[in-house]
Amino acid sequence: GAVVSQHPSRVICKSGTSVKIECRSLDFQATTMFWYRQFPKQSLMLMATSNEGSKATYEQGVEKDKFLINHASLTLSTLTVTSAHPEDSSFYICSASPSGTYNEQFFGPGTRLTVL
Amino acid sequence: SQQGEEDPQALSIQEGENATMNCSYKTSINNLQWYRQNSGRGLVHLILIRSNEREKHSGRLRVTLDTSKKSSSLLITASRAADTASYFCATDKTGANSKLTFGKGITLSVRP
Repeated sequence: GAVVSQHPSRVICKSGTSVKIECRSLDFQATTMFWYRQFPKQSLMLMATSNEGSKATYEQGVEKDKFLINHASLTLSTLTVTSAHPEDSSFYICSASPSGTYNEQFFGPGTRLTVL
Repeated sequence: SQQGEEDPQALSIQEGENATMNCSYKTSINNLQWYRQNSGRGLVHLILIRSNEREKHSGRLRVTLDTSKKSSSLLITASRAADTASYFCATDKTGANSKLTFGKGITLSVRP
């Protein structure tokens, strides 16, 4: 149980385009989903927390107009990287919490974004 | 400064040996968790230890927590090549529903 999927697993795009990443909880309803970013050999940095049906809460320094988050249902959250640039290239990982708490998170497999 | 910091940053051992990884943190916490990440993959939860617990076991894993020293250790006994991965500790600070803060991780290589 507690499986979280992400799609796509890998995406390469041109600079200036937008990329959408989906995060799904497959066998549970996720009150809260989290989006993280991870640079090579670095830690996970929380970007934003999204609750179903409400606006996401972004961490300090994360541009909400750059990283659009939609949590339209209890099993799906999407992250759209708008007007992507090479510096947005990174590994993006989502997690989902059935209880809405930070200390119970199930992580997706991640999405490798490369912006040319 | 980093809330969770693991050491060593990289560890290479022979299959069958034990691997010990340490994590230090700076503030009071509710819980400390250890995760594993295989290369290019998401995180797999290994174990959670609460601030009022001192030791916890799960299979070949043993986690200790010393809140006076603000440190934790993860011991993997009888390591296997499949244990090769990065290991992260994550803490949530004391208080209601605090976000997880991850350390930089330890890269463990288990040689067959």
